[in-house]
Amino acid sequence: DTEVTQTPKHLVMGMTNKKSLKCEQHMGHRAMYWYKQKAKKPPELMFVYSYEKLSINESVPSRFSPECPNSSLLNLHLHALQPEDSALYLCASSQGERDGEQFFGPGTRLTVL
Amino acid sequence: QKEVEQNSGPLSVPEGAIASLNCTYSDRVSQSFFWYRQYSGKSPELIMSIYSNGDKEDGRFTAQLNKASQYVSLLIRDSQPSDSATYLCAVIRANAGGTSYGKLTFGQGTILTVHP
Repeated sequence: DTEVTQTPKHLVMGMTNKKSLKCEQHMGHRAMYWYKQKAKKPPELMFVYSYEKLSINESVPSRFSPECPNSSLLNLHLHALQPEDSALYLCASSQGERDGEQFFGPGTRLTVL
Repeated sequence: QKEVEQNSGPLSVPEGAIASLNCTYSDRVSQSFFWYRQYSGKSPELIMSIYSNGDKEDGRFTAQLNKASQYVSLLIRDSQPSDSATYLCAVIRANAGGTSYGKLTFGQGTILTVHP
């Protein structure tokens, strides 16, 4: 299985809502990532987990809260988002955190109203 | 100066031609180099990685790396309309100890259009 899955595919939420994005991989990879991608821009790294521990936080606002329940799962909890947070949120995984050969999931298209 | 620079294009080539995509990087400690392809509305997909100076070939794709010039390129031979996509150059830099630091930095991407 060489696939990274993400749910939901699309999410519309209000600024007072709490929601979560989910990501799963079954490739035995030890590093997992959250990226944010705005239209016509490259992906921007948000968080890196290595061996289920948070390794890198790219100064992301606290309204985004990552969680890694186990080596296959990665969540991104969302709370009190702003309309400018609307974007494609991509999950990726790799063998190790120093590995640039990353496998991306299909993404969650988030719209904040 | 941006860490990774690409010509945003669009680059338009006829079917069957060679498409040449270029990327420069500013940080001399950059260690590993990658090309990702992203179709419109889809997620990035790794197509090539290159770690040492020279050429690396995989099917119709050739990646070229010149660390002295801080330059990496991707050649696509016999271009097909299905190659039309945004191509993202990405680098991982080394930390002071010489090992890789786990942040993949992307260029802005080059839009390639292959017309029949």
